[in-house]
This record gives sequence, C-alpha cells and structure tokens, in this order.
Amino acid sequence: AQTVTQSQPEMSVQEAETVTLSCTYDTSESDYYLFWYKQPPSRQMILVIRQEAYKQQNATENRFSVNFQKAAKSFSLKISDSQLGDAAMYFCAYRSGDYTGANSKLTFGKGITLSVRP
Amino acid sequence: DAMVIQNPRYQVTQFGKPVTLSCSQTLNHNVMYWYQQKSSQAPKLLFHYYDKDFNNEADTPDNFQSRRPNTSFCFLDIRSPGLGDAAMYLCATSRRTVRVEGNQPQHFGDGTRLSIL
Repeated sequence: AQTVTQSQPEMSVQEAETVTLSCTYDTSESDYYLFWYKQPPSRQMILVIRQEAYKQQNATENRFSVNFQKAAKSFSLKISDSQLGDAAMYFCAYRSGDYTGANSKLTFGKGITLSVRP
Repeated sequence: DAMVIQNPRYQVTQFGKPVTLSCSQTLNHNVMYWYQQKSSQAPKLLFHYYDKDFNNEADTPDNFQSRRPNTSFCFLDIRSPGLGDAAMYLCATSRRTVRVEGNQPQHFGDGTRLSIL
C-alpha cells in the first residue's frame, strides 16, 4: 500500500517570502501521479498543482512549483511571494497510475497548516 | 459555473437517527467520491461510484451507505450515527475515460459538517 508523509504539522511564512512544504511518499509503483491540494478554513479543497511521475520536468503554476525527486520519493511544494490568501491547510496526495477500481483513490498525507504573517 | 454542490453545509442529528447528506454536480463527471474528514486530519475515502459501479473501501463501516440515482446526484446515508461519526463529509468528482483519470484532479464540494447530539 502507498503511504504519504507530511512530517511538518505547521509552518509560518512572512508575506512576500518563499516557503517550502515537504512531502515524501512510499510506493513500489513506477507510474503514478502526485498532487498538492489547498484547503482554506471552512472552504473547499482545490487543486494547487500536479505532477506525473513519468515527467522529469518539475511542474509549475504561477507562484507554485514543485521539486519532484523520484528516486528519493520526495515531492515538495514551493510557494514564492507568499500572500495572505495562501494561508490554508495543504495536503500532498498520491494516485496510482493503475487507476481503475480500488486504485482510483487519492491517498492523502496528514496535511500541513500554513500561516502567513503580514 | 460548473461545480460540486453539497447540501446542507451543516447538519445536526441525534445519536442513532438516520441522516442523509447530498451531493450534486454540474460537471458531468462519471466518478463521484465520498470522503470523511475529521478535524485537522486528512480526508479518508469511504467509497466511490464509477458510473453506476459502486466501490466500497475495505475499512468503511457498514453503517455508511451510498446511492447514486443518476450522473448528477450522489447521497451518503448514515444508518445509525454514532458520536465518532461527527466529521466533515466531502464529496468530490472526477472524469475517467481510458487512461485519462490518472492526472485529472478531483473537484471537491464545500463539504457538510455533521454534528451528533
């Protein structure tokens, strides 16, 4: 079974600074997908960024980028120019490349609460 | 805008009294998921529907059931809620075709927060 580990329960960053959220995972599969989701307080969970394991290039979405190290099974999220609206809980998630049936699900880490200081 | 809608946002029920949570979507996605999320924890998948095919997670209690009468709607039924079932329940959808769903994001609703008296 796959596992996703987010070892830091909380982090804080100064507005306009850069912060990196860590995530590691364990799998025996070679084909899979990784995601970062953001869940603001009392609001819906939304996708921040995704990465296909077969792609060597790190995904980037505006101020958000990942550092995907497949051999190390590491998938960290970097937020540049942090904004107050970035304050939320962030979940790292894994999905198998064989996505039918039981493998269709996302396996989430425990999440990390990010606060942004003005 | 296309979206995932959960009703109600807050639901209070009594210990042991059946309760139903609803989810509707305008995305025309063929997969719908129900997650349970307890405070400051990761969402835990309860089950999902791929079209009409129901897929139950092995550790989902029998107390939890689901119905999907059509593409747009999916219901979560808790037959006899216990205090431990108090949580946020999240509905999510995604689109699955041959070899497409893998990198497709799941779209989440706002959730229903269930309290048990």
